[in-house]
Parts: sequence; C-alpha cells; structure tokens
Amino acid sequence: DGGITQSPKYLFRKEGQNVTLSCEQNLNHDAMYWYRQDPGQGLRLIYYSQIVNDFQKGDIAEGYSVSREKKESFPLTVTSAQKNPTAFYLCASSWAGAGTDTQYFGPGTRLTVL
Amino acid sequence: GENVEQHPSTLSVQEGDSAVIKCTYSDSASNYFPWYKQELGKRPQLIIDIRSNVGEKKDQRIAVTLNKTAKHFSLHITETQPEDSAVYFCAASFTGGGNKLTFGTGTQLKVEL
Repeated sequence: DGGITQSPKYLFRKEGQNVTLSCEQNLNHDAMYWYRQDPGQGLRLIYYSQIVNDFQKGDIAEGYSVSREKKESFPLTVTSAQKNPTAFYLCASSWAGAGTDTQYFGPGTRLTVL
Repeated sequence: GENVEQHPSTLSVQEGDSAVIKCTYSDSASNYFPWYKQELGKRPQLIIDIRSNVGEKKDQRIAVTLNKTAKHFSLHITETQPEDSAVYFCAASFTGGGNKLTFGTGTQLKVEL
C-alpha cells in the first residue's frame, strides 16, 4: 500500500474547471486503475491501463481522461464535461498478468465542486 | 458485464459474535474474489481473497467460502472485535478480463461493546 501515493488529499474545484489528480507508484506494477467512490456505494472503474501508452475505458469514463506516459504514473483529469464530479477518487495498481492479480490502493483524493 | 450484489448493507453484532457478509455474482467466468476492508476516509485494504479452484480459505479469524455452482461467496469473521468495525467490499474478476474488478456496494459492519 505504501508504494502508491495520490495528491492532493483534498481538492476543490469550481464548476467549469478541469482538474488533474496525481497517482504515482513505486511497486514496479504494470497495471494501474482509477475508481470513483460515492457515499454508500461501491467502487466504480473509470479507466485502467495495463501497459505504458495504452489505457482502456472503464464503466464510467465519460467526463474523464487519463494518460500513461510512464510506468510509475497514471494521472486522471476530471473535465468540465463531468456533470457530478464530487466524489472520493482512488487509484490502484497491480501486476498485469493472468487477470487475477491483487490490486493495491492509494490513499485517495477527495474532490469537491464548489 | 459482471454484476456483484452484496448483503446486508449494514450489520451490527456484539463483540465476540460472528459476522457473515454474502455476495453473489452474475458472470460464471469470474474466478477471483477479493474482500477489502475500508475504514472511514481511508483506502480499501485487501483482507482475504479466493480463487475459483478452492472452496474455502481461512486466515486467523477471517474466512471466505465460495460456491461456484450458486455463484456466491461469503466472508466470515469470528470473535469480532471493535477494530473490525468498517465497511467491507466484495469484488469479482476473471482471467483475461484486464484484471478489472467489479465491486459490491459494501457492508457497514459495526461491532458493539
């Protein structure tokens, strides 16, 4: 767990602004993921990446974008097109292998739209 | 796609009692089932997982059982302690699915003194 960091811990955004959430890992994991968590709900997958320079949409990708230029980093941009962005955002990483590898989570970023 | 249902949404037990949380999944191809514990404001942490080639796995006070035929799996916590109070999430994924996890909606467990 300690090898995955997210920043900032809290983020406030005005409507119409884009914001970027940082996720870094030093576990040498191939795969990285972004989840959104709303109160009383489970985690929903936004985007995931199994290898550098490649990523796929998850279940709720609309209004979000990502990049994977380095193995260690997987930033998430919440765009103005995301209509309800206030949530707790969690980044995770894992070995990319057989598809049943344990995912380890970062500490999260709580985004609030003012 | 996969759908995971989790029950109950809240569970209150007395310290020392057992707690059981149940999940069902829809995709018969799913073969990996982790359980995460999340304390308030913190990250989810893996507490136990099971793969479809076994029916039960135990780690001290925590156990998970899997019924592939019925497509359900359960978390069992024995001798509960106040520090077990948290939200527990089940999840499912399958080989070749990009390691994508589908999560249940969580169970708020409260262990009362």
